[in-house]
Amino acid sequence: DIQMTQSPSSLSASVGDRVTITCRASQIISNYLTWYQQTPGKAPQLLIYAASTLRSGVPSRFSGSGSGTDFTLTISSLQPEDSATYFCQQSYSIPLTFGGGTKVEI
Amino acid sequence: QVQLQESGPGLVKPSETLSLTCTVSGGSISTYYWSWIRQPPGKGLEWIGYIYYSANSNYNPSLKSRVTISVDTSKNQFSLKLSSVTAADTAVYYCARASAGSRGGYNPFDHWGQGTLVTVSS
Repeated sequence: DIQMTQSPSSLSASVGDRVTITCRASQIISNYLTWYQQTPGKAPQLLIYAASTLRSGVPSRFSGSGSGTDFTLTISSLQPEDSATYFCQQSYSIPLTFGGGTKVEI
Repeated sequence: QVQLQESGPGLVKPSETLSLTCTVSGGSISTYYWSWIRQPPGKGLEWIGYIYYSANSNYNPSLKSRVTISVDTSKNQFSLKLSSVTAADTAVYYCARASAGSRGGYNPFDHWGQGTLVTVSS
């Protein structure tokens, strides 16, 4: 199985801050990396796929980068509604696996 | 707008079989891949498996011996059965749709159900 390791596991930031979350795969996954946002009591929502493609309707303050084994999710100017847990997921091989999550508090 | 809704018992006894159904509305179950994903309380996400409307399926090897996913195109539903459950199977279970694209069941999950909590306890 491909292990996905996210860091940090949690962070606290202020409105307007630039926030970066990293995700590392245990082997090369090309750009088969997806980011999801999950708020308490809700299902995850797709933010970014193919490592850097923003889903339609997602605010442009979200961006993704990386390829191979190292990936980042950046929120350029943190907003109150961005308080959530963020998960990365690899779709390079079965079983599909997720990172442990990064909880962002504001 | 496609909507997914999980249904099934919220409490299952140890050693019994967990059974859930996902009803898809606002779109056809055909031509897409459909997955089950679970999340133990306060923990991360685990992919269980996917199925295509043609009944082609793929499972997480860690659960493969206990999992069956099936599809009923006439009802626009797909289902999960997980046998011999233990307390470790207590989780919120989500059904989700993989987005369109050449990689089928490997595509990102663009639509999710709200999730249903299943507790394994006697």
